[in-house]
Amino acid sequence: KAGVTQTPRYLIKTRGQQVTLSCSPISGHRSVSWYQQTPGQGLQFLFEYFSETQRNKGNFPGRFSGRQFSNSRSEMNVSTLELGDSALYLCASSFTGSRVDTQYFGPGTRLTVL
Amino acid sequence: AQSVTQLDSHVSVSEGTPVLLRCNYSSSYSPSLFWYVQHPNKGLQLLLKYTSAATLVKGINGFEAEFKKSETSFHLTKPSAHMSDAAEYFCVVKGDNQGGKLIFGQGTELSVKP
Repeated sequence: KAGVTQTPRYLIKTRGQQVTLSCSPISGHRSVSWYQQTPGQGLQFLFEYFSETQRNKGNFPGRFSGRQFSNSRSEMNVSTLELGDSALYLCASSFTGSRVDTQYFGPGTRLTVL
Repeated sequence: AQSVTQLDSHVSVSEGTPVLLRCNYSSSYSPSLFWYVQHPNKGLQLLLKYTSAATLVKGINGFEAEFKKSETSFHLTKPSAHMSDAAEYFCVVKGDNQGGKLIFGQGTELSVKP
């Protein structure tokens, strides 16, 4: 079974631009979550989508948004990029996102904002 | 609200000696607890999880963890360290009604000396 895939793996953008990251979950998984990893803040939850609906949201500004398609693939978008948005963005999928469900992570997208 | 504290930011051991990575959690609900490992420039890999079954949980690569409710701890151990164990380790908590949201500790970097 293929794992979680994320594209692109690396991105370089400049301040003020916008970016879209993509995540394809494991087949059969309907919950997709996104996390931001930085050296200073560690791993922080961005949002979760389940059956095309945002079910949970972390404490990030509205510049961060996402969506999920009917095949469970998910995208996240960051508008008006700031230097502080440079980070590793990780996507994770699980069957339902329940308390006992295991989340499987993709390799991440490394975003650098210049 | 849930939270997790990893008591050591860095642990250094010699190859062949035991490993102990400490984690305390806080949760209003009966939590699920996980340990993930991240090798440099890689995504997160699940080592083991506790979901209210047996309190001693065995994971991959010889790791295990014990859930102690009275101490609100979930420490990760391994009898004998290998060089390949050098990585960053994250203790993670998930509670009820949180969907796919994981709360991460700040991470413990494990170094293994030859």
